[in-house]
Amino acid sequence: GAVVSQHPSRVICKSGTSVKIECRSLDFQATTMFWYRQFPKQSLMLMATSNEGSKATYEQGVEKDKFLINHASLTLSTLTVTSAHPEDSSFYICSAREGAITEAFFGQGTRLTVV
Amino acid sequence: DAKTTQPNSMESNEEEPVHLPCNHSTISGTDYIHWYRQLPSQGPEYVIHGLTSNVNNRMASLAIAEDRKSSTLILHRATLRDAAVYYCILRLPQGGSEKLVFGKGTKLTVNP
Repeated sequence: GAVVSQHPSRVICKSGTSVKIECRSLDFQATTMFWYRQFPKQSLMLMATSNEGSKATYEQGVEKDKFLINHASLTLSTLTVTSAHPEDSSFYICSAREGAITEAFFGQGTRLTVV
Repeated sequence: DAKTTQPNSMESNEEEPVHLPCNHSTISGTDYIHWYRQLPSQGPEYVIHGLTSNVNNRMASLAIAEDRKSSTLILHRATLRDAAVYYCILRLPQGGSEKLVFGKGTKLTVNP
């Protein structure tokens, strides 16, 4: 299947700083990318959907000014957690889809710890 | 949005078949049934999907009830590497930007 690469896999940052997570589709063009957050022992929660070249659509309750999403090219989307707080510590996962193909491919996830 | 219901957990023994059920009584005629699984500390991976007919691939089989209100993911011979959370998800037929919404899934434990 297609490969989605997420970087970094783990990051520790200080409270109040910003962290950028990258999501790349390595062998296909991702017209749509999705960002999820997963707390321990819970399911994935969709944060936002982004289409290349347009603004992301955020789910209800997700602060767009705190979680900045950029999908500037067909192979790269970034999620920036701004002014991070300990409660933002979570497992962040991106997903990408190529056009009308129904399968979604997921990155390996980024474990964010805010201290 | 049509929802799915799965058991919280199931157990199996290695090299035995596993049948993971999913109820989706409010499924619409155009919803595809998708299955993904998530191994510990990893992102989910696609397993299989179908609409009406049973489907087979190298990973699993999908048996869909005639009324489409339930389906079963079948792992023919469970291995320790199949221990994961399995998610049953309903999706519209085309890609586009429609969301992929995860429920709680079934945590499968495989005993050696």
